[in-house]
Amino acid sequence: QQQVKQSPQSLIVQKGGIPIINCAYENTAFDYFPWYQQFPGKGPALLIAIRPDVSEKKEGRFTISFNKSAKQFSLHIMDSQPGDSATYFCAASGMDSSYKLIFGSGTRLLVRP
Amino acid sequence: DGGITQSPKYLFRKEGQNVTLSCEQNLNHDAMYWYRQDPGQGLRLIYYSQIVNDFQKGDIAEGYSVSREKKESFPLTVTSAQKNPTAFYLCASTNLAGTGELFFGEGSRLTVL
Repeated sequence: QQQVKQSPQSLIVQKGGIPIINCAYENTAFDYFPWYQQFPGKGPALLIAIRPDVSEKKEGRFTISFNKSAKQFSLHIMDSQPGDSATYFCAASGMDSSYKLIFGSGTRLLVRP
Repeated sequence: DGGITQSPKYLFRKEGQNVTLSCEQNLNHDAMYWYRQDPGQGLRLIYYSQIVNDFQKGDIAEGYSVSREKKESFPLTVTSAQKNPTAFYLCASTNLAGTGELFFGEGSRLTVL
């Protein structure tokens, strides 16, 4: 019940394409859903996050879509660029005060020039 | 510059040896976390601490130990009891009164020879 399932494992798109990464969760107590971006040899960095009171959040070229009834959320990257090539992780945390995140398994994205 | 500093960046260990990974933050964050990252498995929580002199086990605490004697520091010891210690270790911190965003260090890569 604590798992966050992420797909696909890897993704290749052409520059300008719109990669979509999907995540699903079971625990209805989760109330915070961030996406992290990680470049090789570096720590992850927060990209965008959403809470269940909204169905969509957009920041620049990055959009989270959230479906509370289906317990799914996804990341869309508009007009993708080669610099977006990285590993993306979805995550979730619950309503307790610890902010400990449960991470998905990651998606390795390659954007071809 | 404020941030999280992990050291060493690379560490080699012989089987049977304990090693300690350092994590220091100057963000005045309350909570600190240790995650382990393996290829294709995302990030898994080892230990976390919300306050000085207190810490809790995460999902994979066996074979690891931590201490939190100062707010700024949260060292992780990988003991000889950890069966498969070769991995990328990430330290993170957050302000418990904030948004829930975890800030990560750049990681320590441990290889057991």
